[in-house]
Amino acid sequence: GENVEQHPSTLSVQEGDSAVIKCTYSDSASNYFPWYKQELGKRPQLIIDIRSNVGEKKDQRIAVTLNKTAKHFSLHITETQPEDSAVYFCAASSSNDYKLSFGAGTTVTVRA
Amino acid sequence: KAGVTQTPRYLIKTRGQQVTLSCSPISGHRSVSWYQQTPGQGLQFLFEYFSETQRNKGNFPGRFSGRQFSNSRSEMNVSTLELGDSALYLCASSPLAVMNTEAFFGQGTRLTVV
Repeated sequence: GENVEQHPSTLSVQEGDSAVIKCTYSDSASNYFPWYKQELGKRPQLIIDIRSNVGEKKDQRIAVTLNKTAKHFSLHITETQPEDSAVYFCAASSSNDYKLSFGAGTTVTVRA
Repeated sequence: KAGVTQTPRYLIKTRGQQVTLSCSPISGHRSVSWYQQTPGQGLQFLFEYFSETQRNKGNFPGRFSGRQFSNSRSEMNVSTLELGDSALYLCASSPLAVMNTEAFFGQGTRLTVV
């Protein structure tokens, strides 16, 4: 089955700096890669996703890149703000898998 | 549109007991999946249902089971509870037939086994 590894497990950045989280996956059939943000005590919410026919996607301060050959994808957050502090999860799935395989999560802390 | 609703929000059970958790998906969503969240382990997939059929199951013991009703509401059951079953159980619903689109999560049920 699919195995998703996520690094780092914790990340502390100064407000205004960039944050990068990296994930690798094992199943070459995976074609959908979402990122979820979970604030303390709240439910995970989708912040951005990318499909395997796209190499990069951007939404304001958030961007995701995908390298299918190397089987890795990354989340980039620019100009970090205190409200970016949360746990971020990457995930992968394929069309016929009927599940999301999640990474272990990255706790991001933005220092004011 | 109401979001995904999970009940109860909190549960405290004793080892050996059984528990049933409920999930009501967003109206119109037919796919419901369940995840166990524990510190440091991320979200572990339990099972996924679509039109009352289980289409995939994660690597959990047979004590974990689930079902989906004709109105897409889903329940999961854990029998013979163990201390290690203490976790946040999240359900998610999706509008399309496959988990290749946004999953909308509920607030979760926090289960504590003592």
